[in-house]
Amino acid sequence: DAGVIQSPRHEVTEMGQEVTLRCKPISGHDYLFWYRQTMMRGLELLIYFNNNVPIDDSGMPEDRFSAKMPNASFSTLKIQPSEPRDSAVYFCASTLTGVITEAFFGQGTRLTVV
Amino acid sequence: GDSVTQMEGPVTLSEEAFLTINCTYTATGYPSLFWYVQYPGEGLQLLLKATKADDKGSNKGFEATYRKETTSFHLEKGSVQVSDSAVYFCALRGVGFQKLVFGTGTRLLVSP
Repeated sequence: DAGVIQSPRHEVTEMGQEVTLRCKPISGHDYLFWYRQTMMRGLELLIYFNNNVPIDDSGMPEDRFSAKMPNASFSTLKIQPSEPRDSAVYFCASTLTGVITEAFFGQGTRLTVV
Repeated sequence: GDSVTQMEGPVTLSEEAFLTINCTYTATGYPSLFWYVQYPGEGLQLLLKATKADDKGSNKGFEATYRKETTSFHLEKGSVQVSDSAVYFCALRGVGFQKLVFGTGTRLLVSP
């Protein structure tokens, strides 16, 4: 397996524009996580899915953020409208059910909102 | 709820020095414990893990022992290299809670 695949790797957009980040989890994994990483706040869990169903979205900062998982092999994180404070690296991770299994991370999408 | 506390960085060492990065946790039951490493510009990679008390995880010269009595999982390496410079994250995955809980990360800087 190629691991968790995120696209794009880098995104530069203007304030007010819609941004969509994409993630393909490892085949067979039933959990998918979206994280945001900034210097100020470190690594924050935004939302996670189990079997394509959102389980906990309490980390989503505000209504401008939304995430979907239409099938087991694809998820999106959308920001509309984007703001400069959304600039961060966004990571997707996937794992299997079970307390002993680790999560596998994608390479991340570096988002810059100008 | 479950939580992980790591020592703050940066930790600055000379090559071949001994490394310890402290990690303590709070969790109900018997969580699994993990150390992840993040090299510049990359995602997090699993470094090692331990799934029950007294287990020792090891990889690439790094070690950590699951100590339930002290609720700790300290990361150690006997002789660090410049290539070990990275950010290290301690994490746990608790029984009944499927998400990973991460510490704040500790930056390690190793100079020649």
